[in-house]
Amino acid sequence: KNQVEQSPQSLIILEGKNCTLQCNYTVSPFSNLRWYKQDTGRGPVSLTIMTFSENTKSNGRYTATLDADTKQSSLHITASQLSDSASYICVVSAKGGSYIPTFGRGTSLIVHP
Amino acid sequence: GAGVSQSPSNKVTEKGKDVELRCDPISGHTALYWYRQSLGQGLEFLIYFQGNSAPDKSGLPSDRFSAERTGGSVSTLTIQRTQQEDSAVYLCASSLDGSRGEQYFGPGTRLTVT
Repeated sequence: KNQVEQSPQSLIILEGKNCTLQCNYTVSPFSNLRWYKQDTGRGPVSLTIMTFSENTKSNGRYTATLDADTKQSSLHITASQLSDSASYICVVSAKGGSYIPTFGRGTSLIVHP
Repeated sequence: GAGVSQSPSNKVTEKGKDVELRCDPISGHTALYWYRQSLGQGLEFLIYFQGNSAPDKSGLPSDRFSAERTGGSVSTLTIQRTQQEDSAVYLCASSLDGSRGEQYFGPGTRLTVT
């Protein structure tokens, strides 16, 4: 069964600090992995996408890494801002078969001033 | 350009009533998805449309749930005889061609069944 596990479930950090969110998956065969940001009361918005051959991708202060061998990904946020407070969702798609990706439950990040 | 829009943004209904939720996808996107997000839970897939047909309805939780899409554009999700456990945020997403490309999400409809 395809699964995506995220950790931690929630995280509180001070403004300006860095943090790293983790994603482990069992989706196979692997097609791509996306990180989404979901602000409260809004729909998720894609931050990065990574395919099998990519092991790092940056989008401003967000850097995603992928280890396809261990089936792990991380999202690193540098110099956090209050606006980074949101839920971060890891989403993994498989090749062939269903077009429906597998969603993690998300990590809730709160950035305090 | 315009993103995915959903209406209403909030809906409060009494147990046993029927509700209709609407999704307007991005123009030109052939694939449309409905998801449900309960408090503290991940997104739960409900149904996927490619054009007007629904090749995957596997996520619909019961026969009280149905959805249709007309003209390859607007979609409505109907919940009949609502129950309290139907309370959740219902998210719609569209993508260009139903491949494994990016899904663009709407803001969701928050449904509360009293």
